[in-house]
Order: sequence, then C-alpha cells, then structure tokens
Amino acid sequence: RKEVEQDPGPFNVPEGATVAFNCTYSNSASQSFFWYRQDCRKEPKLLMSVYSSGNEDGRFTAQLNRASQYISLLIRDSKLSDSATYLCVVNMTPGGSYIPTFGRGTSLIVHP
Amino acid sequence: NAGVTQTPKFQVLKTGQSMTLQCAQDMNHEYMSWYRQDPGMGLRLIHYSVGAGITDQGEVPNGYNVSRSTTEDFPLRLLSAAPSQTSVYFCASSSTHRVGSYNSPLHFGNGTRLTVT
Repeated sequence: RKEVEQDPGPFNVPEGATVAFNCTYSNSASQSFFWYRQDCRKEPKLLMSVYSSGNEDGRFTAQLNRASQYISLLIRDSKLSDSATYLCVVNMTPGGSYIPTFGRGTSLIVHP
Repeated sequence: NAGVTQTPKFQVLKTGQSMTLQCAQDMNHEYMSWYRQDPGMGLRLIHYSVGAGITDQGEVPNGYNVSRSTTEDFPLRLLSAAPSQTSVYFCASSSTHRVGSYNSPLHFGNGTRLTVT
C-alpha cells in the first residue's frame, strides 16, 4: 500500500463548479502537509500548506483530519485555469528528518 | 532570484553512457532531493540530503549516485544509463526538515527530460 494515496481522477467539472479531493496517508506520525499543483509535467508548485485548524486561500480550502489520516482540498467556483494535476505531499519520518512523500496526483479538468 | 537551477533541460543518452545532472540552489537550504516522474507513477524520491556531507537513499536509488560537498549543489550521477531511466528528473530543496522544526515546502527546479536509447 502506498504511503500517500490519491484518487487519480480525472475529475471533469464545468466552470463554476465546486470540487473536492481527498488524500489519505499511512503514517500517523506525519507532520507537515501540503498541496501542490502541477501543469503538463512542468515542475510542481506549492498551492498551499495545510494547517491543523484548516485554512483558506481565496477559492481554495484545505482541511486536515488527523484521526482519519486524510487531508482534503476544496476548490470553489472552478476556473478553466484550475485544470491541472493536484499533488498531495506529506512529510514523514523515516529517521530524524521529515521526508516529503508525494501522492500520485489527482487530475482536474475544468470545461466551459 | 534564481531559486533552484537544474541543467541540462534535455538530454539524450545511449545505453551504458554516464552523465551528471546538475542542481544548484541559492537559498541556503539544508534539504535537497532528487525525484523522477514517470507517467502514472507520480514523483518518486531517488536520493536526498539533509545537509552538506550527508546523503541518503530514497525509494528508487539503484543506478544513481549523489554527493553533497556544499550546501548549494546536489548533483545526480547516472553511472551506466539504461532505457528504464528515461524519465523527467526534478531537483527540489527546502530550508529545513528537522524533527521539531517548522517544515517548509519544497522549491523545485524546472526539470531535466532524459531519454536513454
């Protein structure tokens, strides 16, 4: 079982829709959590960090559920430009350091 | 405003050739890492370093060597290229990954697209 799992999608939604992705992780000692966005195999770019109390950045809301070991990303009022792959990243601890572990990504396609 | 710089952007190798992918960062980051990305596989960690002189293996280290003689540079060496190493390679860095410290997000280079024939 992969340590960080995401539904690969694709999620195909119309402009203006609300869409949510989940990401589950296996290591309960995991600390930091992030969502990245990746376009057409360009480099991943940080979308937002995920804080314990949940956080919002414009149309994007991230939540952390430690008890069930998942994080979520909610996108409201989807735009065509939101079409991308969304990567979940969890920092895990194989030793004395936190090592970022990536999910395989969820593909989002926003159509007119 | 360089951030993480990877060279080359594209490379074609013949089976058995060796080469080094360069990665440099100018942000004084402690943590540096190499990933490869293949269709349907996501980003897989090859090697990482938590500081100068310290390296460790990731998920898919076979066929690759690294060294970290300075904080700024983290080259990835392919010892004897194989077609299975055809991939997109990303170098990434962040300021700290120590337990108990704030874990900053990763900064990525633009990637190196490698084809081995």
